[in-house]
Amino acid sequence: GAVVSQHPSRVICKSGTSVKIECRSLDFQATTMFWYRQFPKQSLMLMATSNEGSKATYEQGVEKDKFLINHASLTLSTLTVTSAHPEDSSFYICSAPRWADTDTQYFGPGTRLTVL
Amino acid sequence: DAKTTQPPSMDCAEGRAANLPCNHSTISGNEYVYWYRQIHSQGPQYIIHGLKNNETNEMASLIITEDRKSSTLILPHATLRDTAVYYCIVSSGNTGKLIFGQGTTLQVKP
Repeated sequence: GAVVSQHPSRVICKSGTSVKIECRSLDFQATTMFWYRQFPKQSLMLMATSNEGSKATYEQGVEKDKFLINHASLTLSTLTVTSAHPEDSSFYICSAPRWADTDTQYFGPGTRLTVL
Repeated sequence: DAKTTQPPSMDCAEGRAANLPCNHSTISGNEYVYWYRQIHSQGPQYIIHGLKNNETNEMASLIITEDRKSSTLILPHATLRDTAVYYCIVSSGNTGKLIFGQGTTLQVKP
């Protein structure tokens, strides 16, 4: 079946540094991918839509200059958390639709970011 | 997209059927009902979706009422590995944007 991977699975960084998270679709192409954030004991919150070959679209309240998204190929989207602070510590999850016209999504395993 | 209402938590005995309800009284005619689940510290997993007919796959069955204002996800023989948060989401099916509510935490007990 379709698989979405994320790398790294866990990262710890110092405050003020930038962290890049990769999301790959392993056996299908995805012109669109999605990035979510999940704080402890909370639900997933959609952050942005990553579009291959064009700019990402961000949900209201999400700072585009802080969360840089690049969708350079049909199988790879990256999320860079710039100048990370402790409040950015969270579980970041990406997803990709298997088919263009459905909301049947395949999710990555998530990346646990801890900012010290 | 329409909102959904789910009970915050449910228990189920191992081997028994787990019936998870979802209310979506404001669902539009072109919106589907999707179910996902999230096992602790993992990414969500797609389970099943439907428009108005009942659906069944290898994981679960989805029963949608005739007026489409509610639905039930059925796990026919729950196992301990089915312990997870289950999310019911309604969506038009063509945006890819899934809006997650709080879901139902299902605890399967031995």
